[in-house]
Amino acid sequence: EVQLLDSGGGLVQPGGSLRLSCAASGFIFRNYDMSWVRQAPGKGLEWVSAISGNGVSTYYADSVKGRFTISRENSKNTLFLHMNSLRAEDTAIYYCAKHQGNPTFDYWGQGTLVTVSS
Amino acid sequence: DIQMTQSPSSLSASVGDRVTITCRASQGISHYLAWFQQKPGKAPKSLIYAASSLQSGVPSKFSGSGSGTDFTLTISSLQPEDFATYYCQQYNSYPLTFGGGTKVEIK
Repeated sequence: EVQLLDSGGGLVQPGGSLRLSCAASGFIFRNYDMSWVRQAPGKGLEWVSAISGNGVSTYYADSVKGRFTISRENSKNTLFLHMNSLRAEDTAIYYCAKHQGNPTFDYWGQGTLVTVSS
Repeated sequence: DIQMTQSPSSLSASVGDRVTITCRASQGISHYLAWFQQKPGKAPKSLIYAASSLQSGVPSKFSGSGSGTDFTLTISSLQPEDFATYYCQQYNSYPLTFGGGTKVEIK
């Protein structure tokens, strides 16, 4: 059974940093690209970043480019999102999502809430 | 970037109704279109990929169609568990983009 367990969210001040993690199980992690998708309170879904299975290729939304870094540790079946220079508009639930082969998603984590506020 | 426009943004329907949701892409995306269902407080769930292919375990009352720029999601007979928000997503190119969502409510 595929499982994705998101963690690392919390309350952070504007300008601060946070690292999110997604622990994966139930599939061969290194064989699949992964993404982070976020959802601001009461709003729709916004794709944030993606990474290839081998970690070589990364992609970012313009809204986070230069501030967020996606990475993965295949030996530990874990996906990360390093978030710097956080802004109030980054407040959202962050979900990790497994790609299906194409860059759409067949499995999602349960989400972790990031709140950026002073 | 490819913009995805869903309509309507919300609808009210009764149990047993046939419901259709539309998604339009700002440029052609072939069949690279997925649909997701999200219930309050829950993560999204994948329903359809490649415009019309049902994900494993998804009931056949859900169907998708379309190609190019215009796509539809149809629920053949609405049941209480189908009241949720539905999103389309294009994966023709990065950045990946979602439609704004369609909230299906009980009439």
